[in-house]
Amino acid sequence: IAGITQAPTSQILAAGRRMTLRCTQDMRHNAMYWYRQDLGLGLRLIHYSNTAGTTGKGEVPDGYSVSRANTDDFPLTLASAVPSQTSVYFCASSEKSGDTGELFFGEGSRLTVL
Amino acid sequence: GQNIDQPTEMTATEGAIVQINCTYQTSGFNGLFWYQQHAGEAPTFLSYNVLDGLEEKGRFSSFLSRSKGYSYLLLKELQMKDSASYLCAQMDSNYQLIWGAGTKLIIKP
Repeated sequence: IAGITQAPTSQILAAGRRMTLRCTQDMRHNAMYWYRQDLGLGLRLIHYSNTAGTTGKGEVPDGYSVSRANTDDFPLTLASAVPSQTSVYFCASSEKSGDTGELFFGEGSRLTVL
Repeated sequence: GQNIDQPTEMTATEGAIVQINCTYQTSGFNGLFWYQQHAGEAPTFLSYNVLDGLEEKGRFSSFLSRSKGYSYLLLKELQMKDSASYLCAQMDSNYQLIWGAGTKLIIKP
C-alpha cells in the first residue's frame, strides 16, 4: 500500500540519549516534512526538504537534525533528547514544494523523554 | 507571527449540521486547508480553498472569505464517525502551512 511509513510507533527515551525517527515514502514525492504535535498547539514544522539533497529549517528546529540522501527517506535525529521533546512526531510528504495540494501524513511516532 | 484561531471543542447531535469556524491573518495568503484527525491517527486532507466562496464535497463543505480572513467547515448529516479533531491551516507567502490547534468535535447520539 502506497504511503508513508514511520518507525518506531512509540518510544520511551532517557534524557541525553540520541534517537532517530525514521520516515519512508513510496509515492516519489519531492517534498517531505517533519512536524511535532503537542496538546493545545497546532502542528509545528521542525524541518523540511523540498527535494532530495536539500533541507530547510522550520518553526522549531532546535535540537533536531534531518538528512535527505534520497527521495524516499527523511530521518529525524534528536542528538541529545530533552523532556521538552516529548511529543507526537508526524512525517508528511507532498508532490512538490510550494504545492497547494494535500499533505500525506505518516501514522506518527509518540516519543516520551524522561 | 501568524495566528490561526478556531474553537477548542464543539458538540453536536448525530444527524444534525455543524459549522466549525477558522480565522487567520490575511497577509501572505496562499490558500486555506481543512484536515480531519481522528484520535491517535494521522491528519487526512478534507479541502482546500483559495478563492472566495463555498466548495461542496459530499456531506462536507468549506467556505472562504479572503477579505475577512475567515473560513468555515460545514458538516451535514452528522455521523458518529465524524467525531474527530478538525484542523484549519493557512498556506503562507512561503508556501508553508500555519496550523490551528484544531477543533475537537464530539457527536452525541
